[in-house]
Amino acid sequence: EDKVVQSPLSLVVHEGDTVTLNCSYEVTNFRSLLWYKQEKKAPTFLFMLTSSGIEKKSGRLSSILDKKELFSILNITATQTGDSAIYLCAALIQGAQKLVFGQGTRLTINP
Amino acid sequence: DSGVTQTPKHLITATGQRVTLRCSPRSGDLSVYWYQQSLDQGLQFLIQYYNGEERAKGNILERFSAQQFPDLHSELNLSSLELGDSALYFCASSVEGTSGYEQYFGPGTRLTVT
Repeated sequence: EDKVVQSPLSLVVHEGDTVTLNCSYEVTNFRSLLWYKQEKKAPTFLFMLTSSGIEKKSGRLSSILDKKELFSILNITATQTGDSAIYLCAALIQGAQKLVFGQGTRLTINP
Repeated sequence: DSGVTQTPKHLITATGQRVTLRCSPRSGDLSVYWYQQSLDQGLQFLIQYYNGEERAKGNILERFSAQQFPDLHSELNLSSLELGDSALYFCASSVEGTSGYEQYFGPGTRLTVT
């Protein structure tokens, strides 16, 4: 059965800290790994990673994929209260085109 | 704003009833996906349509069905509703071209079955 596991499930840090969120996957016909941020409602797209070892960056957020070890990390530097959200990672299954989601990491940034 | 629209935002109905959720994909996107998000199950893939045809099925109950119309909007029909069907239902869309596999999510429909 396809499985995506995120850790930690919950994280509380102070503004300005750097955080690393982890995502491991065990899926058949893996195509890509996607990261989403979910605040109040809809998940918003952050990154899609298809190739191993190539870092993607967007402002203070960055992510990298390791296809040999089957994991990805999402880094957020200089965290702000607006970064508080649930961060979801999902494996995109080739062919079926479906996303298999992890449980999410609830990140809380305290001022 | 992702460009994906869903209606209604909230729906409250009784057990045994039937409801229809509607989704309009982003302009130019041919593929529509339905997901269910509940507290205990997280986000679960239900079904995918591409240009009017069903392409993939996930954990969709037999009481649920969907379709995609020629104008590419999609509807998810939920019948014989049970308390456990209460959840957030998301629609997502993607281009599905060689570079366009990202899925963009709509705001969701919160279904409460009483």
